[in-house]
Parts: sequence; C-alpha cells; structure tokens
Amino acid sequence: GQQLNQSPQSMFIQEGEDVSMNCTSSSIFNTWLWYKQDPGEGPVLLIALYKAGELTSNGRLTAQFGITRKDSFLNISASIPSDVGIYFCAGRPFYTGANSKLTFGKGITLSVRP
Amino acid sequence: NAGVTQTPKFRVLKTGQSMTLLCAQDMNHEYMYWYRQDPGMGLRLIHYSVGEGTTAKGEVPDGYNVSRLKKQNFLLGLESAAPSQTSVYFCASSYRTSELWQGNTEAFFGQGTRLTVV
Repeated sequence: GQQLNQSPQSMFIQEGEDVSMNCTSSSIFNTWLWYKQDPGEGPVLLIALYKAGELTSNGRLTAQFGITRKDSFLNISASIPSDVGIYFCAGRPFYTGANSKLTFGKGITLSVRP
Repeated sequence: NAGVTQTPKFRVLKTGQSMTLLCAQDMNHEYMYWYRQDPGMGLRLIHYSVGEGTTAKGEVPDGYNVSRLKKQNFLLGLESAAPSQTSVYFCASSYRTSELWQGNTEAFFGQGTRLTVV
C-alpha cells in the first residue's frame, strides 16, 4: 500500500527559529493533512490541503501541497515552547472512491529549547 | 462540543481477558476509524466503518473485532488480549464531502485509550 515518508524521526531547534518538515510519497495523493499530537492527547488537525500547489497558513504555520502531488511541507515560523509535539502528515491517495482512507506518516517529534 | 469521545482512557488487562473500547462522536459523521499507535510506528489503521452497520478491515485487524450498530458509536473489541496489543488506541471520525473525487474529509481524533496487557 501507499506509504508516507517523514524524516528525520526527531528534530531539535532553538526557540525563535523556523523549522520546516516535509512528507513524501511514491504515489499521487489528492489530499494532504498535517496533524500535531501533544503528549497524552490525540492528533489535532493543523492544516488541510486539497489542491496541487495550494499554500495555506494557520497563524505561524504554513503548509503547501506539492505540485507533483507526491509531497507536502509544513513550516513553523518563530517557534515557541508549546510547538513541542509530534507532527504527522497524512494523505489520501488519488481518487479511490468514497471508502478511501488516510495514510499516515510515522511522525516527527519536535523539541524546542528555550 | 464533545467531538470524539473514547472510554475508558486507561486500562490494564491480563493476557486472555476480553474488553471493549467505546468511541462516540456527536458530529453526525459517516466514517469512523480505529487506530493503534506504537513508538516509531505512527498510526496504523485497525478497522474502519463507512456507515452504520458496515465495517471493514484496515492494516492490522488481527485480534480485533468491531461493530457499528449506531451511527454515532464504533466499538473495538479484544476477545483474548495479548501483550502485543499493548498500545495507545485512537478513534477518529470524518464526514463525506460533496466532492465525489475526494470521498471523505479530514479525520477528527479522540483523546486515546492507553491499554496495557500483562
């Protein structure tokens, strides 16, 4: 089945820095989603992307749907301590009907040093 | 707004015991899902449902059963728990979009159930 690749598994940045993480696939996706998971909580949707080339912002977060439909990136600007958590990308393969399911990457654990 | 609610939040089982995890959503979503999350493995789909009365297998269905008797509830059962089923379980739901080519939309998650099988 489809797989989404997120790497590295962990990232360490200094408070105030920008960070970018990407997600790649070997096959075409028609939806890209970015989730954040805080410790002990469920994943929470940050940004949803539905069109190739789409660039969407949510506060300090910006995400883009790659033009090839095989990748997406998430950028966090001016990081703060509460940005700590696991960031998952998720995608839905190019039209597989109403029963199409999300595929998740393995996540990137972000640590922010004060 | 409750969203997606999972019960219980924590549980310890002995090997061979059975239990049912309950997921309830109040958003009138058609689709519901059960995932398990293990360190370094991300989220893996166990079973899912595209509507009341229907269920289907996901990526890792063995050892689990599900039922969707009501649209708002999705139950995950472990008939004979094994230590390999120690994990954090997440339920999620999503709604059908009017855009046929998309199928359904982003998933909304519950807060998880931490299950330990000893």
